[in-house]
Amino acid sequence: DAGVIQSPRHEVTEMGQEVTLRCKPISGHNSLFWYRQTMMRGLELLIYFNNNVPIDDSGMPEDRFSAKMPNASFSTLKIQPSEPRDSAVYFCASSQTVTIDNEKLFFGSGTQLSVL
Amino acid sequence: SQKIEQNSEALNIQEGKTATLTCNYTNYSPAYLQWYRQDPGRGPVFLLLIRENEKEKRKERLKVTFDTTLKQSLFHITASQPADSATYLCALGIDYKLSFGAGTTVTVRA
Repeated sequence: DAGVIQSPRHEVTEMGQEVTLRCKPISGHNSLFWYRQTMMRGLELLIYFNNNVPIDDSGMPEDRFSAKMPNASFSTLKIQPSEPRDSAVYFCASSQTVTIDNEKLFFGSGTQLSVL
Repeated sequence: SQKIEQNSEALNIQEGKTATLTCNYTNYSPAYLQWYRQDPGRGPVFLLLIRENEKEKRKERLKVTFDTTLKQSLFHITASQPADSATYLCALGIDYKLSFGAGTTVTVRA
């Protein structure tokens, strides 16, 4: 099992550029989460997909952020245009079931984003 | 407002001792609580889950307690080893939503 795979591991871009982060969840997992981690705010949930459908995007900071899950094995998080305050580590996580007794989350290694 | 607070200070302990981490919360009624370990440059790794109707859970050298009256969880690492050095995150769960604390960094000295 390769685990959750994220790419790129590091991204450095200039303010105003479009950034696309990618995630491949664990095969068979039907829930996918995007989190953002900063020193100031810790880990924050951005968006949650269940069976490829966005269920909760209330954590998406603003319209500059968008996420898609075109199939069970791929998701993207896009920032357009990017701003320096978007600099953070972005994690993708997946799980097998999501119920009141939630299963554990499997996190990827994250994408370290720096917007100059 | 909702708040999750973990030990504000980093924890430095001697190998073989027990590390005790706290997770306090306000204005939450979580159905379950999870603990994760995070190493530098890596994503969090799940350790333990405890539900609101459970008092204690154990896994090898790890023990977690959950007191919904005190709104507190304690996480213990017994017989600590240098390999246990990491940041430990508590996470409160309601349905699919996990809200994380800021984490406590533990350093175990040989």
